[in-house]
Amino acid sequence: DAMVIQNPRYQVTQFGKPVTLSCSQTLNHNVMYWYQQKSSQAPKLLFHYYDKDFNNEADTPDNFQSRRPNTSFCFLDIRSPGLGDAAMYLCATSSSLSYLSYNEQFFGPGTRLTVL
Amino acid sequence: QKEVEQNSGPLSVPEGAIASLNCTYSDRGSQSFFWYRQYSGKSPELIMFIYSNGDKEDGRFTAQLNKASQYVSLLIRDSQPSDSATYLCAVNMGGGSNYKLTFGKGTLLTVNP
Repeated sequence: DAMVIQNPRYQVTQFGKPVTLSCSQTLNHNVMYWYQQKSSQAPKLLFHYYDKDFNNEADTPDNFQSRRPNTSFCFLDIRSPGLGDAAMYLCATSSSLSYLSYNEQFFGPGTRLTVL
Repeated sequence: QKEVEQNSGPLSVPEGAIASLNCTYSDRGSQSFFWYRQYSGKSPELIMFIYSNGDKEDGRFTAQLNKASQYVSLLIRDSQPSDSATYLCAVNMGGGSNYKLTFGKGTLLTVNP
């Protein structure tokens, strides 16, 4: 089945210790997104890739970076995690290329990040 | 600022009843509208989307859109305890980034057996 996969599902890191979260997809979608979601809040878009083009949201801290080495994979790097970065990190994909698409986004299962 | 508003709930309905979830949005140029279901500790799951005024039905779910009133709703018929979750409304507001979604904070639905 076509899907969005995130690894790891749970990540524990120490304050200030860099961490990388990964996302892969078999949907062959050209757009990939990273969201941060804290308890009882809406998902907050951090950035997205439209094909190879990186698009950062204006209020995304510099502490967050991303890489997309190919169509299928995307990584979220948190350079120096703080306690406030503890959250669920969601990867999503969509296709802007299909005439049948209304840009609906499909989410992976998420990575729950804990910062000690 | 472009916004999507939902009542946070909780909305509590008895099993078998109709649950009605509502969402308003600020941008009149919005093009498509999505409902996601999110169980506690899980990721959002797409239930339905709608882009034309009127109703769209899929099984027990009906999405309703009124662009003039900037209002979109989700009706769940014959509600089941397994429908208990947070329902997120998301809006594609078009413009230069017409593939981005703006999410509401979600409505927590509880279906009581």
